[in-house]
Amino acid sequence: SQQGEEDPQALSIQEGENATMNCSYKTSINNLQWYRQNSGRGLVHLILIRSNEREKHSGRLRVTLDTSKKSSSLLITASRAADTASYFCATASNSGGSNYKLTFGKGTLLTVNP
Amino acid sequence: NAGVTQTPKFQVLKTGQSMTLQCAQDMNHEYMSWYRQDPGMGLRLIHYSVGAGITDQGEVPNGYNVSRSTTEDFPLRLLSAAPSQTSVYFCASSYSGKVETQYFGPGTRLLVL
Repeated sequence: SQQGEEDPQALSIQEGENATMNCSYKTSINNLQWYRQNSGRGLVHLILIRSNEREKHSGRLRVTLDTSKKSSSLLITASRAADTASYFCATASNSGGSNYKLTFGKGTLLTVNP
Repeated sequence: NAGVTQTPKFQVLKTGQSMTLQCAQDMNHEYMSWYRQDPGMGLRLIHYSVGAGITDQGEVPNGYNVSRSTTEDFPLRLLSAAPSQTSVYFCASSYSGKVETQYFGPGTRLLVL
């Protein structure tokens, strides 16, 4: 079953606008990560936020985490056409066991129009 | 460093054939995993390993075997291919067993006829 669920499934914006994607999850986590995938390529790690953190920045990316609501958001500011890609959230948890697994959501397809 | 490498890039199989998808990493990572990606389904975990000699099942392990004899290599074996295994397969590795940043390979596209 999918742990993380992104919202919206697809997002189309104009270059220069901000893009916000949301992720909800079901169980307690060790950390939450965001990945980007360009069409037909492998995934690239963007940012990791730990369960005891609330906000993190990296360049034009801002990630927030609300563990009480089991949700996270990814904000891309001043978007560029090159930001067009699918974005996935992934949660790392051990479900009470000793080994951790990373579970991905279904992704948000972001299209940035020039 | 080459990072995470996967071979082959593309493979066509007939139903019932077996094959091994290769994955290697040169970053001395403890944690390695295999995912499959199907349209509209995101990535689903097949098997993972927290170190040499240790493997465990993920969300969709049926029809696949893995082994981890060395830190560097984590092959995925399809025992008897089925059309339902048509997918894109990604291997990934992570330094920590607590699954921190994962580094992904370029993927293997598998078509089972």
